Parts: sequence; C-alpha cells; structure tokens
Amino acid sequence: AQKITQTQPGMFVQEKEAVTLDCTYDTSDQSYGLFWYKQPSSGEMIFLIYQGSYDEQNATEGRYSLNFQKARKSANLVISASQLGDSAMYFCAMRVQGAQKLVFGQGTRLTINP
Amino acid sequence: DSGVTQTPKHLITATGQRVTLRCSPRSGDLSVYWYQQSLDQGLQFLIQYYNGEERAKGNILERFSAQQFPDLHSELNLSSLELGDSALYFCASSVGGGASYGYTFGSGTRLTVV
Repeated sequence: AQKITQTQPGMFVQEKEAVTLDCTYDTSDQSYGLFWYKQPSSGEMIFLIYQGSYDEQNATEGRYSLNFQKARKSANLVISASQLGDSAMYFCAMRVQGAQKLVFGQGTRLTINP
Repeated sequence: DSGVTQTPKHLITATGQRVTLRCSPRSGDLSVYWYQQSLDQGLQFLIQYYNGEERAKGNILERFSAQQFPDLHSELNLSSLELGDSALYFCASSVGGGASYGYTFGSGTRLTVV
C-alpha cells in the first residue's frame, strides 16, 4: 500500500523567506509520480509540481522546486521568496504505475506573515 | 479556470435527503475521479470512471453511487444523507492512468447536511 506522510501540520514564515514543506512517502513500486497541490481558503485544488520516480533532475516550476531524495523516500516542496498569496494548505500526493488514484498526505497549512 | 466544471458549488440539505453532484471533465480527459474532503478524514478517494466504465473504487459508502455518461460528464449521487456526509466533494479528471498523470481538479461542491 502507498502512504504519504506530511509531518508539519502548520508552518509560519516571514514574507520573502524560502520555505520547505516536508513529504515522505512509502511504496514498494519502482515507477511512481509525486505531486504537490495547493489549496487556498477558497477551496480549489491547484496543481503545483510533479516529479517522476525515474527523473534524475529535481523538478522546478517558477518559485516552486521539489527536493527529491529517492533513497530517503522524501519529496519536499521548496517555495522560494514566499509571498502573502502562498498562504494555503499544501498537499503532497503519490500515484504508482497502474494505480487509479492519487494518495494524499494530510497536508500542511502554510501561513506567510508580512 | 481548470477546465473541470463542478455544479453546484454549494449545497445545503437535510438529513435523509438525496442529492446529485455533477462534474464535467476537462476536454480530452477520459477519466473522472471523485474525492471527499472532510476535516477528520482528509482527502479520500471515492470512485473512478474511465470512458463510461467504473475502474476503481475507494472508500465509497453503499449510500453513494456514481456514473459517467457517454458525453463523459459524471454524477455522484448521495442518498440517505447523514450529518457526517458534510464535506467538500471534488471531481478531478486526467488523460490517462499512468504514474505521470496527475489530476486536474474542479473547484468542488461544498455539501452541508443539517
């Protein structure tokens, strides 16, 4: 079975600082994908970034990057130069090859302080 | 706009009633997934349809059912509603079922059972 663990229920960061949101995963599959989603207070789920298990380079999308450490089974999200609009819930998720569903962690609530 | 349309956005109904949530997937996506997000359970996978056929079932109660129509829109039917069914219900769609395919989420239907 697949499992995602996000150990930080909440984080508070000053505006313009970088922030790392932790995510560890558990799977015995070799082929899998890791995803991060953002859920602002309005409720919608917004895709941020994807990392494949065979990707050698860490994924980057603008201010978002994924620190992928396969041996440690971690896929931390790094947000550079945080902005007030980054305040939201952040979910790490995983999908293994052949599976029909994304498995989500419990989320981290990020608050950016001015 | 993610391209996944969910209606209605908000729904308030009484216990014991039945409601139908509707989802139109993003153009070109054949898979539709339903998720329930509650405060205590997090994001729970309910069911998936691919091109009209049920493909995977998660933690979906027997009181709940879904279907996907020939035009690929999907409906989630919730009956004999209980207070505990109050949650945010997401529909998501994807092109395929491989590990690299994440979901595009709709904005959700917030169901309140009173």
